[in-house]
Amino acid sequence: EAQVTQNPRYLITVTGKKLTVTCSQNMNHEYMSWYRQDPGLGLRQIYYSMNVEVTDKGDVPEGYKVSRKEKRNFPLILESPSPNQTSLYFCASSPQYTGANVLTFGAGSRLTVL
Amino acid sequence: DQQVKQNSPSLSVQEGRISILNCDYTNSMFDYFLWYKKYPAEGPTFLISISSIKDKNEDGRFTVFLNKSAKHLSLHIVPSQPGDSAVYFCAASNGAGSYQLTFGKGTKLSVIP
Repeated sequence: EAQVTQNPRYLITVTGKKLTVTCSQNMNHEYMSWYRQDPGLGLRQIYYSMNVEVTDKGDVPEGYKVSRKEKRNFPLILESPSPNQTSLYFCASSPQYTGANVLTFGAGSRLTVL
Repeated sequence: DQQVKQNSPSLSVQEGRISILNCDYTNSMFDYFLWYKKYPAEGPTFLISISSIKDKNEDGRFTVFLNKSAKHLSLHIVPSQPGDSAVYFCAASNGAGSYQLTFGKGTKLSVIP
């Protein structure tokens, strides 16, 4: 089944403890992206990647890192999580980036930072 | 500055009636618009899209209308069904100069049986 898989789905952690949210897609997509969803703010883009080794900042990149060493994987790294990073995170991918960029989203990872 | 605005956080509609979800945008460089639907505990899924060279696109019960002069688009669902109850996100892209999809805040649609 074609899908985007995120792990973990739920995580409670403490301030400053480094964590990684993994994202993997099995569709050979070139474009991948991370979003966070917060109440009243909708979906905001954190980082995106056009292809392997090509990444760029979205609208809210502060406090996050990403890497794209393989085409299928696009992990989101929180080096020193803070409570304001408590959010619902979505990874998404598409074959390429075009204007008609139909994204396939993962099921989401709910992160709580205490 | 919010470039894609969905000013109605929620909407309730009777089953069988029409649902109209609205979206406004400020960036005149946007040339492609998409609607995504999101159920609780799931990721958003693509619903329908429209290019800026068109003013209407239809797919079954779903129709999207684009008014470029007003920088406004709307999603019509006819007839509405209880399974349509979800959060709907409007999104826009500028394919020529950006690699980002900008989303609105979403509108929660409740279809009452």
